[in-house]
Amino acid sequence: DTGVSQDPRHKITKRGQNVTFRCDPISEHNRLYWYRQTLGQGPEFLTYFQNEAQLEKSRLLSDRFSAERPKGSFSTLEIQRTEQGDSAMYLCATLDSRRLSGELFFGEGSRLTVL
Amino acid sequence: AQSVTQLGSHVSVSEGALVLLRCNYSSSVPPYLFWYVQYPNQGLQLLLKYTSAATLVKGINGFEAEFKKSETSFHLTKPSAHMSDAAEYFCAVSVVQGAQKLVFGQGTRLTINP
Repeated sequence: DTGVSQDPRHKITKRGQNVTFRCDPISEHNRLYWYRQTLGQGPEFLTYFQNEAQLEKSRLLSDRFSAERPKGSFSTLEIQRTEQGDSAMYLCATLDSRRLSGELFFGEGSRLTVL
Repeated sequence: AQSVTQLGSHVSVSEGALVLLRCNYSSSVPPYLFWYVQYPNQGLQLLLKYTSAATLVKGINGFEAEFKKSETSFHLTKPSAHMSDAAEYFCAVSVVQGAQKLVFGQGTRLTINP
């Protein structure tokens, strides 16, 4: 499978616990994006990386959220001290910025439920 | 800054009928426009995209969309709905420079009646 892969697909946790999501991009894609999607809404941009550099963070990304892409390949999104409002689908998407098509390829998402 | 407005959070059509999902955008620079489809508990799949070439864009599964600059619209159509078209549809805008991040509309849930 050469698509964007996300793990885990589903995570149920108790309020106050930490969770981490992983995204493995399409291999030649240098940009990686994280989005959050709540029920009945469109995805909202959280942050993106160009290779290993985190170039932009949305104000939606509170201090409890941290994202990394240490070697410019896979990325992790960690949420510390989870709150019920963090319950959402977390989507990873990648693209090759050297192509001007601008097409993002999405993973299947990681659904978080905070009890 | 870019933004997208999808008119109608729910659209219901009969099988075989025309599908029309409306999208209006706002962008200070020439935009790239996209339609994505999302099935339950899945990620987003690209249906079609406009990247400043032909204004009538054909996508997968028989969908097409027309870019109308004067109306700032990018409506999605399909001549004949199929039961398998039932899903959530998202219109999105981005620009070629900079972050190339997508800004999404709130989505339109399409229901197909037998």
